Amino acid sequence: DSGVTQTPKHLITATGQRVTLRCSPRSGDLSVYWYQQSLDQGLQFLIQYYNGEERAKGNILERFSAQQFPDLHSELNLSSLELGDSALYFCASSVGAFREEQYFGPGTRLTVT
Amino acid sequence: DAKTTQPNSMESNEEEPVHLPCNHSTISGTDYIHWYRQLPSQGPEYVIHGLTSNVNNRMASLAIAEDRKSSTLILHRATLRDAAVYYCILRDDDMRFGAGTRLTVKP
Repeated sequence: DSGVTQTPKHLITATGQRVTLRCSPRSGDLSVYWYQQSLDQGLQFLIQYYNGEERAKGNILERFSAQQFPDLHSELNLSSLELGDSALYFCASSVGAFREEQYFGPGTRLTVT
Repeated sequence: DAKTTQPNSMESNEEEPVHLPCNHSTISGTDYIHWYRQLPSQGPEYVIHGLTSNVNNRMASLAIAEDRKSSTLILHRATLRDAAVYYCILRDDDMRFGAGTRLTVKP
């Protein structure tokens, strides 16, 4: 158990809908990262927040947004969902903002029908 | 972007050492070398990381070449539980996963 929690474990929704994925980092970690893993794309870095502020952006679509709250939990919002958004979404956390090891949660499996 | 090159797959026998290679010829001076693994149906798991010197922890050892253009993850005694995809990553600001090496451990 990494100490990172993600909810929900599974999510099934229809195209065009909007969903919110939630992540709670390990106690004491200030950075939260979001990743998407699909069969054809592998693990893709989406976005990083550090102590409430956006710190780094990867391959995140404009339909996707994230935020980190004062209690350090984070939410990833996915809107106007398409079939291709079906994937595993992982959250990770680390103590600081640079180069430390990351600890991953168990993931949320999103299925868009 | 700095990139890494790893073999697609490797096989090992249980209780034997495993050496997983990684080439990173374009590494910069500030890039840390990180290794993660992903077991089936689980999130990635941190294994080890280093900058210039060899590193050991309870899970593995990391051997870094003197010119830092390659590194090797060493599992001293492979177990069936070590069967996973192993990712070698150069970590600067963000972390970009490649395809990794799929390690199969035979009993």
